Amino acid sequence: AQSVTQPDIHITVSEGASLELRCNYSYGATPYLFWYVQSPGQGLQLLLKYFSGDTLVQGIKGFEAEFKRSQSSFNLRKPSVHWSDAAEYFCAVGARGGGADGLTFGKGTHLIIQP
Amino acid sequence: DGGITQSPKYLFRKEGQNVTLSCEQNLNHDAMYWYRQDPGQGLRLIYYSQIVNDFQKGDIAEGYSVSREKKESFPLTVTSAQKNPTAFYLCASSGSGRLYQPQHFGDGTRLSIL
Repeated sequence: AQSVTQPDIHITVSEGASLELRCNYSYGATPYLFWYVQSPGQGLQLLLKYFSGDTLVQGIKGFEAEFKRSQSSFNLRKPSVHWSDAAEYFCAVGARGGGADGLTFGKGTHLIIQP
Repeated sequence: DGGITQSPKYLFRKEGQNVTLSCEQNLNHDAMYWYRQDPGQGLRLIYYSQIVNDFQKGDIAEGYSVSREKKESFPLTVTSAQKNPTAFYLCASSGSGRLYQPQHFGDGTRLSIL
């Protein structure tokens, strides 16, 4: 079974500074990888996904993530954060092999933006 | 606009009562999912359905039931057997086919115990 670890429960970043949120996964093959963002009391919005090909993927709102097979990681980055980026961020993995099974989520990282 | 509608936004349950959470989608997606979210726990899969009239248990199905009589609807019933139902419940849907399709989420229902 797959699993996802987000080592940082909370991260505080100053507005305009760069951001990196860590995600490590456990899966026997190359999984499907996702980053979602959640504002308080809301559902999840897909930021970006990795299925195959180029290991650096671009998403919405200026985010990008890099898949590193050797490190089993899929870290999310943004060069300059805005106050509106304050939210909860979830990394998720989906198993390959066909079907439409549910995703396995990490426990999330709460991003706080300092003025 | 296409999307997923969850209702109600807030729901209260009395002891021994069953309650049903609604999830409707107009995205023409085949697959639908229910997740439970607790603070600091991420999302955990309760049930999922890949096609009408078929569904499978997820990781935490005990105390919950679902039905999938229509493609656009996937209601979740929280039964009295679920002893700790207070949580935020999220419904999602995705397309199906040979290529993996990402999941789209509703805005959630927050369930509390009276």
